[in-house]
Amino acid sequence: SQKIEQNSEALNIQEGKTATLTCNYTNYSPAYLQWYRQDPGRGPVFLLLIRENEKEKRKERLKVTFDTTLKQSLFHITASQPADSATYLCALAYTGGFKTIFGAGTRLFVKA
Amino acid sequence: GAVVSQHPSRVICKSGTSVKIECRSLDFQATTMFWYRQFPKKSLMLMATSNEGSKATYEQGVEKDKFLINHASLTLSTLTVTSAHPEDSSFYICSARDQGLSTEAFFGQGTRLTVV
Repeated sequence: SQKIEQNSEALNIQEGKTATLTCNYTNYSPAYLQWYRQDPGRGPVFLLLIRENEKEKRKERLKVTFDTTLKQSLFHITASQPADSATYLCALAYTGGFKTIFGAGTRLFVKA
Repeated sequence: GAVVSQHPSRVICKSGTSVKIECRSLDFQATTMFWYRQFPKKSLMLMATSNEGSKATYEQGVEKDKFLINHASLTLSTLTVTSAHPEDSSFYICSARDQGLSTEAFFGQGTRLTVV
């Protein structure tokens, strides 16, 4: 079965630095890969989507890369702020129903 | 972005009773909705895919008689946890996909179920 691995350890960084989160998957590549933000006790909020034929996608301070050879996606937050502190989930979606499978998430703490 | 409303946000029920959770797409039509379950500090586990007007598709290991799903309209799906037990206590989240878009899914705010 498909597995998604995200760093289970929390990531602590200083405000203003770039946070980089990693998502690795096994087996077959998805149609597209998504990143979500989840705050405690809340549902996930969609951030970015990147398709299998794309290498990089940007949105404001966010950047996502997708390497289907390495089966890895990197999620970057530049000029990080304390408000960016949250859990970030990597999700893989497949065609034919668009079923989405989530990683366990990485908790990010940005210190002022 | 599109809004998905999930109700209730919190519910406490006694063992043996049933609980219904509603998931509504407020400003778009959703032919497909998804139900997830999340344990503390764990990933969202897909339980079932809810299709409007047809039977839900359950993931392996999810009891369909335990978790009843109804998707009677393009804007509403319900999950009923029947004969709830303490081990059913969890965070349940729904998501809906706009049938006009093929990519992102929009999530409800989740329901914290506690069975005592």
